[in-house]
This record gives sequence, C-alpha cells and structure tokens, in this order.
Amino acid sequence: AQSVTQPDIHITVSEGASLELRCNYSYGATPYLFWYVQSPGQGLQLLLKYFSGDTLVQGIKGFEAEFKRSQSSFNLRKPSVHWSDAAEYFCAVAPRDDMRFGAGTRLTVKP
Amino acid sequence: KAGVTQTPRYLIKTRGQQVTLSCSPISGHRSVSWYQQTPGQGLQFLFEYFSETQRNKGNFPGRFSGRQFSNSRSEMNVSTLELGDSALYLCASSSGTKYNEQFFGPGTRLTVL
Repeated sequence: AQSVTQPDIHITVSEGASLELRCNYSYGATPYLFWYVQSPGQGLQLLLKYFSGDTLVQGIKGFEAEFKRSQSSFNLRKPSVHWSDAAEYFCAVAPRDDMRFGAGTRLTVKP
Repeated sequence: KAGVTQTPRYLIKTRGQQVTLSCSPISGHRSVSWYQQTPGQGLQFLFEYFSETQRNKGNFPGRFSGRQFSNSRSEMNVSTLELGDSALYLCASSSGTKYNEQFFGPGTRLTVL
C-alpha cells in the first residue's frame, strides 16, 4: 500500500544539539517530497522540497534533507536546534496530483 | 503580499447541521486545496480546485463538497455534520503549476457537538 511513515511521534532534543527527523515512503516510483512545519495554532509552512537532481536539498531556517532512493527515505536534519524550532514536522509526498502527509513528529526543545 | 486567509477561524455546530468554510488564496494563485487535520487521522486531502474546476479529490464522503469562484476564492461545505467531522480544516493555495509550493492558511477549527 502507498504510504508515508514518520516513525517518531515525539522527539526531544536539547537546544544546540543536532536533529534528524525520519521519513520513509512507499510508492512505485519516486514521488515529489516535501517537509512542512506547523507551529501551534498555525498553518503549515514549507521547509524544503525535492523534485529531482541533487539529493541533498537546503531549506529555510537552516534545515536540510537528503533523499535516499535505495532506502525510500527523505530525512530532515538541522545541525543546531533553536528553541523556536519546537513545532510539529510533517513529511509529505506527491505521487500524482494529490499530496499525502505523514502522521507528523512533534519536536520539543529543552533549554 | 497577503497570505491565505480562512474564515471563520473557529466554529461550533451541532450534529446534523451544515457548515460552510471560506478560503481566500494568495493574490494570483489559481489553485486551492483543502485538507482535514485530526489527531487520529492526521492530515488528509479533501479536494483541489483550479480555475473553478475540481481537479482532484480525496477519499471523503459526498457530504464534503466545495467550489471555487472566478476570483479564486473557495468555499467548502459539509452537510449533515457528524461528531467525527470535528477537525482543523486547512486551505492551501498555489499558482497551480503541478507540485508548486502550497501556502497554507491558519485553518478553521470546527467543533461538532
């Protein structure tokens, strides 16, 4: 079945520590891939997207993601987390015309 | 440039009623997509409108419908409300080019009692 999986429901990291959020997808072909962030009471903001080409993509707010075809993964990373990064993060794929989201990973940042 | 606006921001209805939610996209954007977000089901795609035509549809019952006007503003209607329709309804706009970046509004929080 086609799916988007974010294995970690909740992650806690200390401010200044590195971060990696995992995303795996299951589709017949490589879909278009996205990472969004949602702060409480807000809509979703696009962090970055991958369509083709360089498998390491840079986004806003210092985030980057790497597409690994062999692992069907599109993990989000940040070298040093700030307290303002606390939010919910969604991986999304667009296999055709619709967009499908993972369940989300809630990030808590410890001072 | 103004962002995506959704009205109302909060809504309380009772079972069996119907509700209409409104979304105004970013100026110049011709595509509007609607999503339902719940703690149990996460974010689910409802439908997308482009130039007043429904271009794509998710897997929701016919009680959920929408339309788009010539100025690209969109409305979503839910008839015969059920308790399970309580959710955050998000609208997103884009220029309409396939997989172009979607800009999300703050959402409408619907509570069905």
